[in-house]
Amino acid sequence: EDQVTQSPEALRLQEGESSSLNCSYTVSGLRGLFWYRQDPGKGPEFLFTLYSAGEEKEKERLKATLTKKESFLHITAPKPEDSATYLCAVRRGANNLFFGTGTRLTVIP
Amino acid sequence: DTEVTQTPKHLVMGMTNKKSLKCEQHMGHRAMYWYKQKAKKPPELMFVYSYEKLSINESVPSRFSPECPNSSLLNLHLHALQPEDSALYLCASSQGVTNTEAFFGQGTRLTVV
Repeated sequence: EDQVTQSPEALRLQEGESSSLNCSYTVSGLRGLFWYRQDPGKGPEFLFTLYSAGEEKEKERLKATLTKKESFLHITAPKPEDSATYLCAVRRGANNLFFGTGTRLTVIP
Repeated sequence: DTEVTQTPKHLVMGMTNKKSLKCEQHMGHRAMYWYKQKAKKPPELMFVYSYEKLSINESVPSRFSPECPNSSLLNLHLHALQPEDSALYLCASSQGVTNTEAFFGQGTRLTVV
């Protein structure tokens, strides 16, 4: 059965304290892994797309990496405005974009 | 421009009402999606339209009825909803139907009373 699991469920960091979020997946026929950021009451905001093991993408303080079984979202020197829920999603087959459970990140000033 | 526009932003409806949610994109995307999201849960796929044809229905109750009038518009018609249908309803679109990222609107917060 296809699964996408994110850990930790919640993470509290001090401002400037770097860390990583994990997204583990077991999906047959993976056709892309995607990271999103979601603020409360808003729609998910697209961050990164990763297609193959070894691929890396960066944007400001965020860096996403992909292996054959998991993806990491590294946050370097986070700021309070990075507080949000981070979702990973995978495409399995045509059309279907399936989300993991998310990590709620809180960055304390 | 990666904008997906949803209206209304908020909707309160009674269990006997009929209402519609609307979604619009002008990015030339050929796939459009409806997701439902409950508090502190990830978005759950409801429907997918590919090239204006319904391609996925995730066993959604018939009180939710999707419609894709053209390649830029997606509607979700609501009828005889239950209080447990209260949620954030998200529309998304993607350029392709297999391996591309999807862009989301800001959602409609629906409350059924």
